[in-house]
Amino acid sequence: GAGVSQSPSNKVTEKGKDVELRCDPISGHTALYWYRQSLGQGLEFLIYFQGNSAPDKSGLPSDRFSAERTGGSVSTLTIQRTQQEDSAVYLCASSSDRGKTQYFGPGTRLLVL
Amino acid sequence: EDQVTQSPEALRLQEGESSSLNCSYTVSGLRGLFWYRQDPGKGPEFLFTLYSAGEEKEKERLKATLTKKESFLHITAPKPEDSATYLCAVQAGVASGSARQLTFGSGTQLTVLP
Repeated sequence: GAGVSQSPSNKVTEKGKDVELRCDPISGHTALYWYRQSLGQGLEFLIYFQGNSAPDKSGLPSDRFSAERTGGSVSTLTIQRTQQEDSAVYLCASSSDRGKTQYFGPGTRLLVL
Repeated sequence: EDQVTQSPEALRLQEGESSSLNCSYTVSGLRGLFWYRQDPGKGPEFLFTLYSAGEEKEKERLKATLTKKESFLHITAPKPEDSATYLCAVQAGVASGSARQLTFGSGTQLTVLP
């Protein structure tokens, strides 16, 4: 079956611009996670959605980062007023429930000039 | 704070030369330990989940084992196509309602030479 998909695969933007990254989870998966993978760093957790519950935003690095999930499916991660340190690979993962195996998408490679 | 340390950072093997990758962890009540494989430019690909000390799982040339403090990924007679970065992650068994997010190590970059 179809896996997690993300778009765009690559994004180049100028410092100070806003960007939106999209994630389509595996059909039927209720849990959705966003992670960030920077050069020389491991994957770090950003935000978690479970069904219609309020998201866990405990990993967001600043208030410039926000995310939403519409209809319990597609999610959008928004970064406002991008900075060069935001350059990274943004990965989305979904699972059938919050304790289950997480399956990752291919990522969006963001470069802020 | 949950922590995961992987060693070595990089490993070069000749084809057929077996070896092991290490993942040491500290976590507040382990719910699961996960191994992923990541190829350049791609997202992590799930390999194994281990839940309790003594558990072992195998897939082709890979075998994962778990103790109370560490996990090993054994690679038997590797082939060049096994070249990738191998990531270890833990999931803590905290109170219900938590995100159960994964805490990752920095990975081991494996290169298998023909």
